[in-house]
Amino acid sequence: NAGVTQTPKFQVLKTGQSMTLQCAQDMNHEYMSWYRQDPGMGLRLIHYSVGAGITDQGEVPNGYNVSRSTTEDFPLRLLSAAPSQTSVYFCASSYNPGGEKLFFGSGTQLSVL
Amino acid sequence: GENVEQHPSTLSVQEGDSAVIKCTYSDSASNYFPWYKQELGKGPQLIIDIRSNVGEKKDQRIAVTLNKTAKHFSLHITETQPEDSAVYFCAAGGGTALIFGKGTTLSVSS
Repeated sequence: NAGVTQTPKFQVLKTGQSMTLQCAQDMNHEYMSWYRQDPGMGLRLIHYSVGAGITDQGEVPNGYNVSRSTTEDFPLRLLSAAPSQTSVYFCASSYNPGGEKLFFGSGTQLSVL
Repeated sequence: GENVEQHPSTLSVQEGDSAVIKCTYSDSASNYFPWYKQELGKGPQLIIDIRSNVGEKKDQRIAVTLNKTAKHFSLHITETQPEDSAVYFCAAGGGTALIFGKGTTLSVSS
């Protein structure tokens, strides 16, 4: 049982490049979410999904897109990366539709130069 | 929207001492309050949670208390050990999203 798997673990981008951070869970959880972690800022919610085909914005959604075509996968897309998006990104999932008892992945460290 | 304040940002204790971390929240509709522990290089891990219909919950050396009237909740760790050293996050929610505090770095020295 792998839990929540994030890829890649590390990524360096140039300003303006696009990329997709992958997140997959094998626990059949309906709820999935993306957080970013910055020094002194804690964990801030970017987007979340309560099931396939349903997504909504969190605290800091600008510059990020998401989609949820399957229960297992919840990719996060950066269309035009900016240095302000340098951060550690965590994907999390839960069996609870309110996002309680979240299981977190191990994170993706992204640097935008 | 919900806003969660967490204090202190850093906490240093001697092994065997107790540690207390406090959080306040703004949205009276929040009814779920978890605490997460994050070790270096890893994702946060749930250590204890409490609902608004309960005032206190304990699990071995850790306990959480909730004061709904004052909108604050606290994490208590007794008999601290070096392996308790980590970053601790509180959060509040109850709808469709959890909002986290900024974290407390706990250092336990032996």
